[in-house]
Amino acid sequence: QKEVEQDPGPLSVPEGAIVSLNCTYSNSAFQYFMWYRQYSRKGPELLMYTYSSGNKEDGRFTAQVDKSSKYISLFIRDSQPSDSATYLCAQTGNQFYFGTGTSLTVIP
Amino acid sequence: DARVTQTPRHKVTEMGQEVTMRCQPILGHNTVFWYRQTMMQGLELLAYFRNRAPLDDSGMPKDRFSAEMPDATLATLKIQPSEPRDSAVYFCASGLVSGNYGYTFGSGTRLTVV
Repeated sequence: QKEVEQDPGPLSVPEGAIVSLNCTYSNSAFQYFMWYRQYSRKGPELLMYTYSSGNKEDGRFTAQVDKSSKYISLFIRDSQPSDSATYLCAQTGNQFYFGTGTSLTVIP
Repeated sequence: DARVTQTPRHKVTEMGQEVTMRCQPILGHNTVFWYRQTMMQGLELLAYFRNRAPLDDSGMPKDRFSAEMPDATLATLKIQPSEPRDSAVYFCASGLVSGNYGYTFGSGTRLTVV
């Protein structure tokens, strides 16, 4: 079993929709959780990070960690075509454990 | 704007040839990771260094892969001999060990072994 599991999608939504991206993790000892965004032919870039549990909001993006269910979520409000990318969740201990990524397309 | 620089951006080579990929981490960063990304496996950790010392290279096929940091400004990943199954995008990332909230990735080296 991988440390972090993520539905690869692909996910296709109309512009303006609310997007929900989800991951599950197995190791409760690691407390840092991150979301990376990766555009085609680019390296992943850090989008948001959270420590332990709860919500964190940044503009149209909300990251949520539910430790009871070992669930990591990223919500995108009012999605835009520029949000079209692959989104990777990650959990850190002494190294990064990445999900395989969810490909998102926002259709104008 | 500080960034991680990887060279070359693209590499096409024949099976059996040696391939060397280079990474210049962000100045002051003391932790460097090498990842390989494929459609099937996603991002796989190959090796990582802290203060130039290798901490974990368990993700690398030891018989053909080697990773080094000859100095604080250069990390290298070498494949010898290369095989078609090594075709992937190889990413380097750097950061500070105290910065658990994320590391900066380079743009990657896209390797094709034919």
